[in-house]
Amino acid sequence: GEDVEQSLFLSVREGDSSVINCTYTDSSSTYLYWYKQEPGAGLQLLTYIFSNMDMKQDQRLTVLLNKKDKHLSLRIADTQTGDSAIYFCAERRGSSASKIIFGSGTRLSIRP
Amino acid sequence: DGGITQSPKYLFRKEGQNVTLSCEQNLNHDAMYWYRQDPGQGLRLIYYSQIVNDFQKGDIAEGYSVSREKKESFPLTVTSAQKNPTAFYLCASTPGYGYTFGSGTRLTVV
Repeated sequence: GEDVEQSLFLSVREGDSSVINCTYTDSSSTYLYWYKQEPGAGLQLLTYIFSNMDMKQDQRLTVLLNKKDKHLSLRIADTQTGDSAIYFCAERRGSSASKIIFGSGTRLSIRP
Repeated sequence: DGGITQSPKYLFRKEGQNVTLSCEQNLNHDAMYWYRQDPGQGLRLIYYSQIVNDFQKGDIAEGYSVSREKKESFPLTVTSAQKNPTAFYLCASTPGYGYTFGSGTRLTVV
């Protein structure tokens, strides 16, 4: 299909790791992104990965890319209450920035 | 500080009215975009512009119009032809690899 797919909800205990998963569709995608949206706000770019990479780590964030399965994941270590937000996966198809396709977002909630 | 400014934050529209949402950026980005966000859905592309005086329809352009007379500005007009305009509207710009988003405008039809 055409969609970038994510599960809608994830609940994690404070201090645990969160893993948000995404499947995309276009094997020619050049960049894959993770965005964070807090309530009533715009989207904030958290991280991105080139399609020729398998992993990218940035402080508490780890992105894993499995090109064979077209699977992208975002791991947040030591999840905090400030991590509560909606997380969007997005893929850029081809060379044009106009072809960025967003998933429907995963709402991450943190329980004490 | 560089960024994208959307205004107003909240907007109310009566049935049959046109309204214009403002988007201004001082990032010197060539490309600008308008997205619509509905609850539980991803972002859907309305219009985009890659250069001044040029713009292209996105996936859901019907009932919307845009202009790009200046590099910094990309206003979106929601016309009366848009039958279900209540949504959160996001403007974005890019230097080519990732987007910078504004804080959004929530439009409600009353």
